[in-house]
Amino acid sequence: KQEVTQIPAALSVPEGENLVLNCSFTDSAIYNLQWFRQDPGKGLTSLLLIQSSQREQTSGRLNASLDKSSGRSTLYIAASQPGDSATYLCAVRLEETSGSRLTFGEGTQLTVNP
Amino acid sequence: NAGVMQNPRHLVRRRGQEARLRCSPMKGHSHVYWYRQLPEEGLKFMVYLQKENIIDESGMPKERFSAEFPKEGPSILRIQQVVRGDSAAYFCASSHSGAPTYEQYFGPGTRLTVT
Repeated sequence: KQEVTQIPAALSVPEGENLVLNCSFTDSAIYNLQWFRQDPGKGLTSLLLIQSSQREQTSGRLNASLDKSSGRSTLYIAASQPGDSATYLCAVRLEETSGSRLTFGEGTQLTVNP
Repeated sequence: NAGVMQNPRHLVRRRGQEARLRCSPMKGHSHVYWYRQLPEEGLKFMVYLQKENIIDESGMPKERFSAEFPKEGPSILRIQQVVRGDSAAYFCASSHSGAPTYEQYFGPGTRLTVT
């Protein structure tokens, strides 16, 4: 059974700091991994999607890496801003022919202080 | 091009009542997933449906919960005789296909409160 763990559960940093969020998964037979952002009381916004054959993906100040063999991914946020405050979720999709549900971690709650 | 729509956004039910949550997928999408987020927890898969078919309901509680996705109209998640433990945010996602190549797009969620 696939399990996804995110560390830390919560993180508070001053504005401008670079930071790393960690995600680990127990079953390395994944098809892809996705990072989401969730604002309080809101839905999920997809940030980055990394295919299993890729090592990293970048979008603006965000960079996500994937080490499939060791079951790890990191989300790097450069020059953090108060607007980055949210819960960040990682989710993996297994190599299935149908269904391909997402298995989520419990998230890292990020607070960026001005 | 509207995204995934869910309604209501907030729903309050007393214990023992029924809750009906609706999800309209993105245009052109015929695959729907339901996930539940309990307080202070991550999202957990509940059920995966195609039009008129339940493909995978391995995440659904065995009793009181049911889901459908009719040929016409939205997907419905029904919870009968709600209990306090059903209070959660329920998210729907849709995709063009069930294959992992296709990304799932999430709706804003329905927040159910059972009093």
